[in-house]
Order: sequence, then C-alpha cells, then structure tokens
Amino acid sequence: EVVLTQSPATLSLSPGERATLSCRASQSVNYYLAWYQQKPGQAPRLLIYDASKRATGIPARFSGSGSGTDFTLTISSLEPEDFAVYYCQQRSSGLPGSFGGGAKVEI
Amino acid sequence: EVELVQSGAELKKPGESLRISCQVSGYRFTTYWIGWVRQMPGRGLEWVGIIYPGDSDVRYSPSFQGQVTISVDKSIGTAYLRWSSLRASDTAIYYCARLTSGAYGDYWGQGTLVTVSS
Repeated sequence: EVVLTQSPATLSLSPGERATLSCRASQSVNYYLAWYQQKPGQAPRLLIYDASKRATGIPARFSGSGSGTDFTLTISSLEPEDFAVYYCQQRSSGLPGSFGGGAKVEI
Repeated sequence: EVELVQSGAELKKPGESLRISCQVSGYRFTTYWIGWVRQMPGRGLEWVGIIYPGDSDVRYSPSFQGQVTISVDKSIGTAYLRWSSLRASDTAIYYCARLTSGAYGDYWGQGTLVTVSS
C-alpha cells in the first residue's frame, strides 16, 4: 500500500503570503495525485488532480506540481478563505488510493 | 447541476444495524463510480469502498471488507452504505463522492454523522 506523508503538519501564515505544502509517496504514483481542501464542517473540495490540473472553478492562485514520489501544492497569495486543511490523495490501478494525513494552513 | 444529497445524522446503539444513503442528481448515475469516505472525529480521510452503479461492481478497502456493505438503487439514483452490527468505533462522518475517471472525488455529499453510543 502506498503511504502518503504530508508536511508540514501545520503551516502558520498571514493573508497575502505564499503557502507551499508537500506530499511524499512511499513509492511512485506517476502523476496520479490530487489535492483537496476541507474547511470545518464541510466536505472536501477537489482542487488539483493529476498532480497539476486545476479542477473546475478553482482559482489560479492554486497550483500543483511534481511527479513520481514528490508533490507540491502552492497557494501563491493566501486569501482569508484559504485557511483550511489540505489533503493529498493518490490513485492506484485506476481506483482511489490512500489519502495523506492532512496539513493545516492557519492564520 | 451535479448534487449528492446524503441522509441525516444517526444516533445508534452498539449492535444495531444502519443504512445511510446518497442520492445523486444532475448527471447519469450509472456512468460514474461512487465512493464512500470515512472521517473519524478530528481525523483524516479514509476510503471505505466504491461502487459502479452501472453493474454494481463493488470494491472495498481492506480495512472495511466484511464490515460494511455498499449497494445502489439505480431506479432512484441512490447509493447506500450499510452496517449489520454497529460498533462505537464506527462513529464518524461518512461522505459519498462521485469519482472522476481518474478516481478522484469531484463532487461530494454534505456528509452523514453516525454516532454509535450505548
């Protein structure tokens, strides 16, 4: 089973700053990685899929990069509504695979 | 507009059975996989299993195999997650999600809180 490790667990930043979140896989997942945002009391929202493609309606300040085992989610300039928990998720053999443990972006 | 609407919160006792639902609208139900995700209190996300409504092909995550049953009713565009005997450790929020061809959840239900307590 592929294990996804996210770092840092918590990122403390101010609005307008740049956020960089990491997701490392225990073995290669090619580019089959997604990022989700979850706010308190809400369902997850798909931000990025296939490592770098923005989902429908996602602002351009969100970008994803990486392949193989190392991936990054970047928020270029934090808006107040971006403070949330972020999860990465891989797919395996065409089926949904494991999630990372989550990373909180806090003010 | 794609929507997944889940059934309401449940409070159950250990050993009781339960079925929660996820009714979809806005797209052809039989052409996308549906997944169920568990989120225990204050914890992360875990896939429970997935189902393809077109032919009811079901895949369970190893941790949930034998513990739950996933099914669909195509006539009403609804997916189900069922327990025959609940445990306190089943207490969690359960989400349903439509899966893209890439096996990512692009639309999600609002979640169903299941509380199991004596």
